[in-house]
Amino acid sequence: AQSVAQPEDQVNVAEGNPLTVKCTYSVSGNPYLFWYVQYPNRGLQFLLKYITGDNLVKGSYGFEAEFNKSQTSFHLKKPSALVSDSALYFCAVRDRGRDDKIIFGKGTRLHILP
Amino acid sequence: GAGVSQSPSNKVTEKGKDVELRCDPISGHTALYWYRQSLGQGLEFLIYFQGNSAPDKSGLPSDRFSAERTGGSVSTLTIQRTQQEDSAVYLCASTPPEGASGYTFGSGTRLTVV
Repeated sequence: AQSVAQPEDQVNVAEGNPLTVKCTYSVSGNPYLFWYVQYPNRGLQFLLKYITGDNLVKGSYGFEAEFNKSQTSFHLKKPSALVSDSALYFCAVRDRGRDDKIIFGKGTRLHILP
Repeated sequence: GAGVSQSPSNKVTEKGKDVELRCDPISGHTALYWYRQSLGQGLEFLIYFQGNSAPDKSGLPSDRFSAERTGGSVSTLTIQRTQQEDSAVYLCASTPPEGASGYTFGSGTRLTVV
């Protein structure tokens, strides 16, 4: 069965500092991996995805994520945080070999402190 | 259409009444998903339609919940005899046939049962 774990309910980072939001996954086959962001009172927006190729994926708003197969992780990163990055972030996985739904983590609330 | 459209955007209903929530996916997207997000919580999978296949109903929380997808396009999520615990934002998403694509989400329907 597919599953996604986001071990941190909340992450606090000072503006200008690098940020990391952690995600680990479990699938029976090879994964498609995604990050979504939800700003207050707004819908879910796609940030980035890993399909194949380079393990470092670059996405919207300066975010990037690194696929690590041996650690089954897909942590979200940004070199310098902005206050406007404060939002709820969801990691998600889909089993590459199955015609199936995407499974979401429970979300991590990111607070960027001015 | 250009995006996934959901209606109504807000719905307040009395406990015990039935409600219908509508989702109009992106044209050409064969897969359609319903999720539920309770206040401050993650995304709970409800049901998944893929082409002409039988829907995956494994996430529906009770038999008061049902969904249809007519003509491979518009979907309606019906909640019968609503309860206060049904209050949440109901999100619809669609994807094209290829598995590497992530979801495009609608803005959601905020359901409040009073």
